[in-house]
Amino acid sequence: SAVISQKPSRDICQRGTSLTIQCQVDSQVTMMFWYRQQPGQSLTLIATANQGSEATYESGFVIDKFPISRPNLTFSTLTVSNMSPEDSSIYLCSAGGANTGELFFGEGSRLTVL
Amino acid sequence: KQEVTQIPAALSVPEGENLVLNCSFTDSAIYNLQWFRQDPGKGLTSLLLIQSSQREQTSGRLNASLDKSSGRSTLYIAASQPGDSATYLCAVRGTSYDKVIFGPGTSLSVIP
Repeated sequence: SAVISQKPSRDICQRGTSLTIQCQVDSQVTMMFWYRQQPGQSLTLIATANQGSEATYESGFVIDKFPISRPNLTFSTLTVSNMSPEDSSIYLCSAGGANTGELFFGEGSRLTVL
Repeated sequence: KQEVTQIPAALSVPEGENLVLNCSFTDSAIYNLQWFRQDPGKGLTSLLLIQSSQREQTSGRLNASLDKSSGRSTLYIAASQPGDSATYLCAVRGTSYDKVIFGPGTSLSVIP
């Protein structure tokens, strides 16, 4: 299994500001994923982060709003830019086991935008 | 396009009952199916992973089955406890490099 650490665990931000969420995995993984979970909803994939290349974004998500970095095989960041109250969500980082394809998650970052 | 549904959306049972949560998916060509537990405001904890070639997996009081041909999976929880109260999500992966599609979840409440 993979142990995934995220920070911050929660934050309250002002409209118009940006916040960067960090995700650290305890082992090297090929792909890392960023999800958003809006209040009362299930998980929606934002993008897949591959080391050494640009992230692949899902429909409805753009790089200018959610820039992602993946500098090595154990670390990734997601920035939520120019935040509005609609961005208030839990943001979750995940990574897959190399052989089984099992997906593991961090504890999530609960973001509240005022 | 793969779609995943879960029924019921919410379930409340007295402690000690056995219960079944259901997950359905529209495309039977899956790589694996995974069940997760999520406590309020927290991340997801992996409960069971079933590969496409498997029919079921067991862990303690949990048993998950997979029927690809009918596009269904069930999570059986035996002798439920108040600590089992959480939201349970199933998630399906199409290929080894495919993205994972989540169901909407079942919110379980076990009453002492």
